[in-house]
Amino acid sequence: QMHLVESGGGVVQPGGSLILACEASGFSFSSYGMHWVRQAPDKGLEWLAFIHYDGTIKHYADSVKGRFTISRDNSKNTLSLQMNGLRDEDTAVYYCAKVDSSPFIWGQGTMVAVSS
Amino acid sequence: EIVLTQSPGTLSVSPGERATLSCRASQSVGTNLAWHQHKPGQAPRLLIYRASSRAAGVPDRFSGSGSGTEFTLTISSLQSDDFAVYYCQQYYSWPPLTFGGGTKVQIK
Repeated sequence: QMHLVESGGGVVQPGGSLILACEASGFSFSSYGMHWVRQAPDKGLEWLAFIHYDGTIKHYADSVKGRFTISRDNSKNTLSLQMNGLRDEDTAVYYCAKVDSSPFIWGQGTMVAVSS
Repeated sequence: EIVLTQSPGTLSVSPGERATLSCRASQSVGTNLAWHQHKPGQAPRLLIYRASSRAAGVPDRFSGSGSGTEFTLTISSLQSDDFAVYYCQQYYSWPPLTFGGGTKVQIK
């Protein structure tokens, strides 16, 4: 069974920082590029960031470029998202996912609330 | 950026009826299109990839069709478990990966 399990969500003040983690199991994590996707309240799915299988290539959505950093540790089967300068509009459920080729895999999500 | 437009935004259907959901791409994505089902509080679930290939464990009442810029997800006979939001997603040309705005399938 292929699994992705996110952690690290919580409540943070505007301007604050948070690190999300995603632990992979049941598939060859180090062979695949990985993504972060979010869903704000009453909104659709929004792609945020991608990292190549070996970490050498990264892409970001304009909405998070310069504030969020994606990284991975293949020795620990872990994907991370460092989020700085958080804004109210970053409030969302954050999913790690493999969604650019088969097999497609979604995590269960972790909630981030930005509030003073 | 490839924009995906889903219609309708909301679809009211009675159990047992057929549901037809549409997804239009702003430029050709070939058959690099997936459909995901999303229920509140749950992870999205892949239903269809490569426009028409059913994911493992997905009931055969779900089917996908189309290529280029026009795609359809059909649910042949709606079950109570199928009421959810459905998103199309292209993986032909990225970044950015893009999703449609979603179609909410609700009970009529």
